[in-house]
Amino acid sequence: NAGVTQTPKFRVLKTGQSMTLLCAQDMNHEYMYWYRQDPGMGLRLIHYSVGEGTTAKGEVPDGYNVSRLKKQNFLLGLESAAPSQTSVYFCASSYATSGSGRTDTQYFGPGTRLTVL
Amino acid sequence: AQSVTQLGSHVSVSEGALVLLRCNYSSSVPPYLFWYVQYPNQGLQLLLKYTSAATLVKGINGFEAEFKKSETSFHLTKPSAHMSDAAEYFCAVSSTNFGNEKLTFGTGTRLTIIP
Repeated sequence: NAGVTQTPKFRVLKTGQSMTLLCAQDMNHEYMYWYRQDPGMGLRLIHYSVGEGTTAKGEVPDGYNVSRLKKQNFLLGLESAAPSQTSVYFCASSYATSGSGRTDTQYFGPGTRLTVL
Repeated sequence: AQSVTQLGSHVSVSEGALVLLRCNYSSSVPPYLFWYVQYPNQGLQLLLKYTSAATLVKGINGFEAEFKKSETSFHLTKPSAHMSDAAEYFCAVSSTNFGNEKLTFGTGTRLTIIP
């Protein structure tokens, strides 16, 4: 049981390049999330998904796109990277509280450190 | 709307002393509350959570937190700090249901342990 895994662990991009970050979970969780973490700002939600084929915007969605074609995978794309997207990216997954839909404990991946030059 | 405020971005305590990390929340409905810990260059892992059962919640590594509705607080404590407790701690709230299935995190408190 690997939990939540993220690929790649590190990446350096030049401004304008594109890339995709992959998140995979083997816990059969319905919900999945992408966050970015910057010093002094905590975790900010980029996009999330409450099920296969569905996605929703979080707090800071601009410049990112996501897809959830399979329940176990959640992809984060940067179409044209900018230096402001230099950050550490975390994926998380969770189950839903029965009857309410509320997210319960979120399980986090180890992170992807992205630098955009 | 839901929000979390963590008072003190940096806290230093001596080894063996009491650890107290503060968290206040805002929620229009009964909240679920979480404390996560992040060690350097790692992801977040759950310390403990409150989901409307007992108001005093015990977690891993000797930490506990008490939900106080009247004070809208969920402060994290540990009676005796250990060097291995040095990390960043995040409080989070989940307070609404369908259509808003997300956690809101505080900005974190970095805990330093003084030998």
